Amino acid sequence: SQELEQSPQSLIVQEGKNLTINCTSSKTLYGLYWYKQKYGEGLIFLMMLQKGGEEKSHEKITAKLDEKKQQSSLHITASQPSHAGIYLCGADKGGTSYGKLTFGQGTILTVHP
Amino acid sequence: DAGVTQSPTHLIKTRGQQVTLRCSPKSGHDTVSWYQQALGQGPQFIFQYYEEEERQRGNFPDRFSGHQFPNYSSELNVNALLLGDSALYLCASSVYNEQFFGPGTRLTVL
Repeated sequence: SQELEQSPQSLIVQEGKNLTINCTSSKTLYGLYWYKQKYGEGLIFLMMLQKGGEEKSHEKITAKLDEKKQQSSLHITASQPSHAGIYLCGADKGGTSYGKLTFGQGTILTVHP
Repeated sequence: DAGVTQSPTHLIKTRGQQVTLRCSPKSGHDTVSWYQQALGQGPQFIFQYYEEEERQRGNFPDRFSGHQFPNYSSELNVNALLLGDSALYLCASSVYNEQFFGPGTRLTVL
C-alpha cells in the first residue's frame, strides 16, 4: 500500500456544495502540505500543518491535522468552478528526511456550475 | 517577487540523449528540491540541494544528477534518456516550513 493515501481519488460536485478530501499517512508526520495543481502545471501552495490538532484556513479552504499527526482533511465550503483541479497532500517526515516530501496520488476535483 | 521559475517550459529529446533543466528559487529561499511527476501520479522526490551540496536523494539512478550555484539556482541533468523519463519535472524552493513549486518543465523522450 501507499505510504500516503488520499481519498477519494476523484470527486464531482455541484457549485455551492461543501466537500472534504482526506489524506492518511502510515507514519507519524513532521508536517503535512496541501497543494493544488491544474493539469500539467506547477503546484500551488495552499497551507502547511505541523502541530497535532492544528487547523488553518485560507478563503473557503480549511485544513486540519489530527492529534496523532497521521491524518489530514481538506474541506472546501461553498465550492466554485475555480476550485476545480488536482489536490495533493505531501508529507514531511522530518529528521534526516526534513524537506523531502512524499506525495499522495492526488484527488481530482470537478465542480459543475 | 517572481516566485520559482523554471526553464525551458517544454523539451523534446530522443532516447540516449542528455538534458539539462534549470531552476531559479524564490527570493530568500536557499534550498532547492527536484521532483518528477509522471502522468496521473503524485510528484516523486529526486534530490535536494542546500549550500551547493546534495543533501538528500530519492530512489533515482545515477543518470540523474544536479548542481546548485552560489546564487541558489539549480540544474537537473539527466543522461542516457529513456522513454520512461518522460514526465513533468518540478523544482521546489524552500526555507523553514515553506516549500513552493515552479511551473515545471515538460520533458518528452521519443
